This record gives sequence, C-alpha cells and structure tokens, in this order.
Amino acid sequence: GAGVSQSPSNKVTEKGKDVELRCDPISGHTALYWYRQRLGQGLEFLIYFQGNSAPDKSGLPSDRFSAERTGESVSTLTIQRTQQEDSAVYLCASSPLAEAFFGQGTRLTVV
Amino acid sequence: GQNIDQPTEMTATEGAIVQINCTYQTSGFNGLFWYQQHAGEAPTFLSYNVLDGLEEKGRFSSFLSRSKGYSYLLLKELQMKDSASYLCAGGYSGGGADGLTFGKGTHLIIQP
Repeated sequence: GAGVSQSPSNKVTEKGKDVELRCDPISGHTALYWYRQRLGQGLEFLIYFQGNSAPDKSGLPSDRFSAERTGESVSTLTIQRTQQEDSAVYLCASSPLAEAFFGQGTRLTVV
Repeated sequence: GQNIDQPTEMTATEGAIVQINCTYQTSGFNGLFWYQQHAGEAPTFLSYNVLDGLEEKGRFSSFLSRSKGYSYLLLKELQMKDSASYLCAGGYSGGGADGLTFGKGTHLIIQP
C-alpha cells in the first residue's frame, strides 16, 4: 500500500482479555516503531525493529506487552491480560533510513 | 533513552510568529525531526535537520545547533489551522539507544 496501515482502527476489549494489534509498514522500510499515546499526552516509545537486528524492547512497560516482526514486513503488538491503564492509541511508524511515516493508529479501549 | 525536552504548551496570536524550542542529548545524535500532530490524527513530518543552521520551508523553518544540543521550529504568519501539537524527535545510533526518540510535544494554541 501507499502508507503504513494499522488494524484494527478501533478495539474495545474487556479487562483481562488479550489483544493483538497489527502494523503493515511501507514496503522496503527496514525500521519499524511502536508508540503508545494516551489522551492528551506525548508519544511513549515501546519497541523498535531495525532490519534483522535484535529489537530494542526497552520501552515495553511490562511483560504483558510483546511484539514480533517477520523480516521487514508485518509487525504485531500483543497485550496480554489487558488493564484499563492500557487504554490509548497505539501508533506504528516505519522508516527507510531517517524520517518516520506513521499509521493512523489503533485506538484501544479497555472496559 | 535520550532526553528530548520541549515546552508543554504555548499560545500565540493569528498572524504572528512563534518559536518552539527543543533540547536533546548529543550522544549518538544523528539528526533532528519536527512533526505536527493534529488532535486525533497521526503525526506528520515537517522537517529534518542534520547540519547546523536554519532550513526554511514556506511558513515553517527549523534550526539546529549540534554543539548546543538545541533546535527550534519557527512558524510565521500563524493560521488557526496551525493549532496542533509539535513533536521534536532526535534520531540516534549507538550510545545505547537507537532509532527515533520523541519529546512529549508542545501543544500550540492559536488565538484570533
């Protein structure tokens, strides 16, 4: 596609359930980022993939959060046993070298 | 991570000029990005500075001083549609933190 695609665009889940968020980066982009943005707040770094290197997971807030990326393509962010504090917009961005291109995000609401 | 600091909120008047400052850690630094984010939307790219100096792009200009770890975004002839959050981001490699690190953003309010 022309841009970074994220799905679903909105997700409402019950507390304690697991959720999986998907990001399709722009083809050829070696770098992929996940960020979390709570309402009215800045971007909170979660995880960074760069090519075949080991991902930088330093931003993941707890062991309930994990992410995978297959080669230089699709990435999934999984949140296990969701909590209300996980409610936020989860943004994915991909980059060929420097500039990052963002998807429209997944708005997660935990009820 | 790398500390990216910028003011939380600024207010300016339509038609005026506003400067949004950003400071960053210089270790491993490659370049400085500015993004614009309207409420409820994804960030969009505004500028990228690698070398010292001022880069002008229409009403928006971005400045970088690598030695001082300092950048600013200058917005001229402000319009109501410029009301948004402006995110400063540093690109880093090595030094324990790679990739793009964002500041918390500056919420710019434009008043008539």
